[in-house]
Amino acid sequence: SYELTQPPSVSVSPGQTARITCSGDTLPKQYAYWYQQKPGQAPVVLIYKDTERPSGIPERFSGSTSGTTGTLTISGVQAEDEADYYCQSADSSGTYVIFGGGTKLTVL
Amino acid sequence: QITLKESGPTLVKPTQTLTLTCTFSGFSLSTSGVNVGWIRQPPGKALEWLALIYWNDDKRYSPSLRNRLTITKDTSKNLVVLTMTDTDPVDTATYYCAHSSGDPWIWFDPWGQGTLVTVSS
Repeated sequence: SYELTQPPSVSVSPGQTARITCSGDTLPKQYAYWYQQKPGQAPVVLIYKDTERPSGIPERFSGSTSGTTGTLTISGVQAEDEADYYCQSADSSGTYVIFGGGTKLTVL
Repeated sequence: QITLKESGPTLVKPTQTLTLTCTFSGFSLSTSGVNVGWIRQPPGKALEWLALIYWNDDKRYSPSLRNRLTITKDTSKNLVVLTMTDTDPVDTATYYCAHSSGDPWIWFDPWGQGTLVTVSS
């Protein structure tokens, strides 16, 4: 089975840079996608196709990939960025969708 | 503007069949490249992808739940139905449907608000 591994938690002070990683063997072949989920709300896509940002998503959110690791970078973290973040990809054939286990971002 | 909304029972008994409906607007599931997926989230836990239906009626299921899931669409009524058989308390979760249009690349945007389903006797 295919898995995407994320750190359970990341903590950062306001104004600093947060980096959330997502590791998986499929990432060299499949794109990574990133979602933000705030308590009681549905997820919202932040990054698609590794690095693309949908309209309306602040520029402080960016994505990158290198080998088997994708990274969501939040520059100049704000208190409102405190949320759960999930990466998503697909198996190597693109048949099945896979989600990572999620990372809770705490803004100190 | 694309919107999706899930509906279905809030409580089902173990072993019963769960039927959830996703009613959407702002797009057509007959348009090439458009898909609708179902994702669930047990309380306090991570997202889990369940199923996907393509504009051309192709279907994909989570390998771990394949034998219990059926996804169908009614293009004329703008809805997608997910059926899950033989439910268990571990199936208690918020169930989301979501739009995808990046075929062959799949990501979900936007999502419905979700519906909480509790499986309990």
